Order: sequence, then C-alpha cells, then structure tokens
Amino acid sequence: KAGVTQTPRYLIKTRGQQVTLSCSPISGHRSVSWYQQTPGQGLQFLFEYFSETQRNKGNFPGRFSGRQFSNSRSEMNVSTLELGDSALYLCASSPLPGRNYGYTFGSGTRLTVV
Amino acid sequence: TQLLEQSPQFLSIQEGENLTVYCNSSSVFSSLQWYRQEPGEGPVLLVTVVTGGEVKKLKRLTFQFGDARKDSSLHITAAQPGDTGLYLCAGGNNNAGNMLTFGGGTRLMVKP
Repeated sequence: KAGVTQTPRYLIKTRGQQVTLSCSPISGHRSVSWYQQTPGQGLQFLFEYFSETQRNKGNFPGRFSGRQFSNSRSEMNVSTLELGDSALYLCASSPLPGRNYGYTFGSGTRLTVV
Repeated sequence: TQLLEQSPQFLSIQEGENLTVYCNSSSVFSSLQWYRQEPGEGPVLLVTVVTGGEVKKLKRLTFQFGDARKDSSLHITAAQPGDTGLYLCAGGNNNAGNMLTFGGGTRLMVKP
C-alpha cells in the first residue's frame, strides 16, 4: 500500500512570500500531523488534524496554519516567510488520534527561504 | 513543557560492537516510541512501548521503558553498518492526541 506522500519534495522561496505544502496520508489513515525539523531544534510539533478538525497545535506563530480535507489529505501554509522557516517539514499519518498507534512519516518537504 | 533528552548525541563505533542510547525526562509519558531516520527521508517507527518496565526486542535491538515511564533505552547488539542513522525517541500522552515530544536524536555511525 502507498505510503505518506508529500509534495513538493524541495522548495525555494523568498522572504515575505507564502508557501503551501501538501500531504496525502496512507489510505484509511484519518489522523494527520505536521512537524518541523531543523538542525538546532530537532523535530517540533506543528499541528494535528482529524476529521477536518485541528485537535492540537504546537507553539508556532499564527503564520503557520493548516487544514484537512474530507478525504483526509492535509495542507499546511506558511505566510510571510522568514529565513528561520527554512526546515524539513514532515507529515505523519496514523489510523486514529490518541492510542499511540505510532506514526508513518512521509519523506518531507525541504523548504529553503532565501 | 515536557522535554526528552537523548544521550549520547553522536556515536561512532566499529561493526560488531554493542551500544546503548538513552532517552530521559523528568515528565511521565503514556508511551514512548523509537524511530530511525536516514538522510533525506522521514523517520521510520521501530517500536512503541506503553507499560512501565516493558522490554521489546526487534532482532538485535532491545528497547526498554523505565518503571516510572520517564525514561527509555535502546540497546543494539553487534552493530552493523546498516544500523547507521539518526535514532529518535518520542514521548506521547493519551490526553494529547497524537502529539509527540521528540528527543534531540542520537546520530550513530557504524564503520565496517
């Protein structure tokens, strides 16, 4: 069965622009979470979605937003990009929220802000 | 804020050696997961432990969850070059959905 698909794999943007990243979870998985990975901070939780509703949000500014569609696909958006937003953005899916099923991660989107 | 500290941060060993990676916190977690990440890829789940004192084995890898559910360890026996990668521990809580707190990672290199 297909894994978690993230598009695009690589992205270069200029400061001040906005960006939208896409994630298609494993078929049948209804919970999608997003993480930011940087060399300095490691993996940090951004948000979690289930049934088109945001269930949890990490400690990131309001420039970071997301949504989930009825088919469980998810997008995240970063507006007014800053140099510090350069990171690997990882999407992870699991069957349901809670119960600690464990994530299946995608390969990530490498965002570079110049 | 819950924090997880991993040690060591870096480990370079010869093929055949044994090693242990530690993951410690002052907070209690409902579950502890271990992942391995290779360059250019997302982390891959190795194991989930949920009961204090639980021990799980995955071939040459042994995972243990502390009795108080505040710490965990990963022991690799007879390491092989294919074990090279970034090992991450992550703690979860039942009242926080799927949100995980990740440790900083242990970068392991196994030389042939």
